[in-house]
Amino acid sequence: QKEVEQNSGPLSVPEGAIASLNCTYSDRVSQSFFWYRQYSGKSPELIMSIYSNGDKEDGRFTAQLNKASQYVSLLIRDSQPSDSATYLCAVHSGGGADGLTFGKGTHLIIQP
Amino acid sequence: KAGVTQTPRYLIKTRGQQVTLSCSPISGHRSVSWYQQTPGQGLQFLFEYFSETQRNKGNFPGRFSGRQFSNSRSEMNVSTLELGDSALYLCASSLIWGNPGANVLTFGAGSRLTVL
Repeated sequence: QKEVEQNSGPLSVPEGAIASLNCTYSDRVSQSFFWYRQYSGKSPELIMSIYSNGDKEDGRFTAQLNKASQYVSLLIRDSQPSDSATYLCAVHSGGGADGLTFGKGTHLIIQP
Repeated sequence: KAGVTQTPRYLIKTRGQQVTLSCSPISGHRSVSWYQQTPGQGLQFLFEYFSETQRNKGNFPGRFSGRQFSNSRSEMNVSTLELGDSALYLCASSLIWGNPGANVLTFGAGSRLTVL
C-alpha cells in the first residue's frame, strides 16, 4: 500500500526564519511530487510540483526531491505569518495510477 | 475564470440515508477527481473520471459511486450512510486524465457532510 509520511507538527518557526517541511514516500515508482497548502476550513491549493531529483525554486519556496532516499522537502524562506497553514505532501505514480496519495500534513505556525 | 464549484457546501444526513454531491469543473477541464478528507485519515482518493468514464477508483466500498456527464460535470453518491462517512468531500479538476505532472489539480471548496 502506498504511503506518504509527514510529521504532523505543529512546527513552530519565528517570522523571517526558514521553515523546513519533510515527507517520505513508500512507492519507489512514484514520478510526480506536490506540496499543497491548506488553510483551516479551506481547500488545498498547489504550492509546488517537482518531478526530477534536485531543487526547484519558486519565489520564497524551494522543493527538494531525492528519489533514491524517497524523500521530498519544502523550504519556505523569510517565513510570514500568512504561511501558517497545514502543508500536504502528495505523490503520484504516473500514467493511469490511482490518483494522488496524500500525507496527513504538517501544521506550520509562524510566530510573529 | 470560475473555479471548481461544489454543491451543496454543507449538509446533514442521518444514518441509512443517501447523498448526492455535485461538482462543476473549471471550464475546459475534462478530468474530475474526488477525495475524502477526515481528521483521522487525511485526504484519500475516491475516484477519477475522464470523458464520462471512471478511470481509477480508490479503496472505498461500493456504497461510494460517481459519474461524469458529457459537459464534464460530475456527481458522487454515497448510499446507506454511516457515521464514519462524515467528512469533507473535495472535488478537483484538471485538463486531461493521467499523469497529473502535466496538469495541476485545482480543488473546489468542498462539501462538508455530517452524518447523525
